Amino acid sequence: GAVVSQHPSWVICKSGTSVKIECRSLDFQATTMFWYRQFPKQSLMLMATSNEGSKATYEQGVEKDKFLINHASLTLSTLTVTSAHPEDSSFYICSASGATEAFFGQGTRLTVV
Amino acid sequence: DQQVKQNSPSLSVQEGRISILNCDYTNSMFDYFLWYKKYPAEGPTFLISISSIKDKNEDGRFTVFLNKSAKHLSLHIVPSQPGDSAVYFCAASSGAGSYQLTFGKGTKLSVIP
Repeated sequence: GAVVSQHPSWVICKSGTSVKIECRSLDFQATTMFWYRQFPKQSLMLMATSNEGSKATYEQGVEKDKFLINHASLTLSTLTVTSAHPEDSSFYICSASGATEAFFGQGTRLTVV
Repeated sequence: DQQVKQNSPSLSVQEGRISILNCDYTNSMFDYFLWYKKYPAEGPTFLISISSIKDKNEDGRFTVFLNKSAKHLSLHIVPSQPGDSAVYFCAASSGAGSYQLTFGKGTKLSVIP
């Protein structure tokens, strides 16, 4: 089956630094990728939707200047958390969508200290 | 090794009848379970969840049942409607404060008018 690879699986960074998370579709072309954030015991919260070659669409309340999304190719999208703060600590997961299905990445646990 | 399994890739149900989607898990540490619904070309959306301290949770037409001894949960939709046609993902998490969700591969439900 189709595989979506998300890297890194976990990262610890200092407050004020930036962190980049990659999401790759390994054996299919993902026209759309979704970025989610999840807090403990809570549902996934959609942050943004990105389509290859165009600007991402952010959900209400998500700071686009803080969470930079790039979807430069049909197989790669990146989420950069800029000037990270402890409250950005969370689990981030991507979902890559092909023509008829979407597949989840393994997720990235971000801890900002 | 898949820790969350949805063994039926697809299911067809007549409108008005009950849809039953099944999910099995192998990790006994899982203590929180969620169902997501996904339409084509859209990201998954949260549907319903259940904690391991319960065996049933109901929300309108949707009911989730959990059988811990069998490590099995099911989502019941009744009555099924054509708009319910989508892919349904089962997900599980473990441990207090756990961020990470483990997803099944999904079951495509088709409700026939």
